[in-house]
Amino acid sequence: AQSVAQPEDQVNVAEGNPLTVKCTYSVSGNPYLFWYVQYPNRGLQFLLKYITGDNLVKGSYGFEAEFNKSQTSFHLKKPSALVSDSALYFCAVRALSGGYNKLIFGAGTRLAVHP
Amino acid sequence: GAVVSQHPSRVICKSGTSVKIECRSLDFQATTMFWYRQFPKKSLMLMATSNEGSKATYEQGVEKDKFLINHASLTLSTLTVTSAHPEDSSFYICSARMIGGRSASTDTQYFGPGTRLTVL
Repeated sequence: AQSVAQPEDQVNVAEGNPLTVKCTYSVSGNPYLFWYVQYPNRGLQFLLKYITGDNLVKGSYGFEAEFNKSQTSFHLKKPSALVSDSALYFCAVRALSGGYNKLIFGAGTRLAVHP
Repeated sequence: GAVVSQHPSRVICKSGTSVKIECRSLDFQATTMFWYRQFPKKSLMLMATSNEGSKATYEQGVEKDKFLINHASLTLSTLTVTSAHPEDSSFYICSARMIGGRSASTDTQYFGPGTRLTVL
């Protein structure tokens, strides 16, 4: 079955410290992977995606993610967290189902950056 | 670029009435739009996939007659919640898929800001 797992409900980080939000996936074929961020009462904002090429993908707001095929992971990272990074983060994988390409989302990880 | 709007952002209605939510891709054409529902502190649940000019494809367990989807143009899709009940109260989010470059495999979904529906 095609799925995405975000093992942490919440991640707490001090401002200025590096952050990692974990994501693992299960999908047949080559994975197309995405990270989105959601602020309260807002829709999702696209951060970055991996389709092919370099395993390290750089995205918006200083975020990056590392694709690891052997570990089937796509962890989101940032070298120095900001308080304004506090939000809900979703990892997603594109999967073919019922003849359509759909995004399958993880459960989300709440990132809390403390001053 | 790649902006998706939704209207209204918030709606309160009485039980039994119908509510229409619009989703527009403002600066790109979207042959495919998606409608999601999100419960508090939960992930997004895909309700249906909407293709321009054809009938929507609903996910298992989603009532077609209750959640009417129309994708009349390459920039507009609407979701109508018919005969709304309190259990339909939720945050509804649409997204539009941009087809990028020469390869459709590089497409990315862009999301609207969401619509908070409260049914009294």
